[in-house]
Amino acid sequence: AQSVSQHNHHVILSEAASLELGCNYSYGGTVNLFWYVQYPGQHLQLLLKYFSGDPLVKGIKGFEAEFIKSKFSFNLRKPSVQWSDTAEYFCAVSSNSGYALNFGKGTSLLVTP
Amino acid sequence: SAVISQKPSRDICQRGTSLTIQCQVDSQVTMMFWYRQQPGQSLTLIATANQGSEATYESGFVIDKFPISRPNLTFSTLTVSNMSPEDSSIYLCSVSGGGTGGYTFGSGTRLTVV
Repeated sequence: AQSVSQHNHHVILSEAASLELGCNYSYGGTVNLFWYVQYPGQHLQLLLKYFSGDPLVKGIKGFEAEFIKSKFSFNLRKPSVQWSDTAEYFCAVSSNSGYALNFGKGTSLLVTP
Repeated sequence: SAVISQKPSRDICQRGTSLTIQCQVDSQVTMMFWYRQQPGQSLTLIATANQGSEATYESGFVIDKFPISRPNLTFSTLTVSNMSPEDSSIYLCSVSGGGTGGYTFGSGTRLTVV
């Protein structure tokens, strides 16, 4: 069955630390990959997406993600986190453009001053 | 990308009653998606709504509980029927961005059942 796994459920980092959140998927064929962020009390916001081409994708707010096809992974990274990055992060996958997104369970990130 | 207007933004409902959530899109889209986000949880797909055909429901969701209408290419409704406190969640509609490949989400409906 198609699935999306986020291995880190809760992450606590100090400001300026580096961040890497794991995302693995189980899908056959071509996939479209996304990372969304949800700040406390706010709506989902797209951080970045990958459809094809360069597997290293840069998004907003200094985030980037790398698609590694052989590992079925799409990990999110940021070299230096800020307190304002405290939020819930969701990895999502669709099997084809236009089809529904399948979300991982999310990773709660807390950045301490 | 498309813009979605979702109503109501929030509601408090008595158990046993029903609530209909509306999503209006500013452009024609083939598929619309309805999600539920329970407190502290991720988004779970309820169903996919295509215009002119019955919605396709995901495992664990049934039409009697979550009837969906899709009368045209810009509008859809989701009804949460015979509500119980377990239905307290945020409900969101979404559309795909077609050629852009992205997805747009409505602002969500925060439902509390008492």
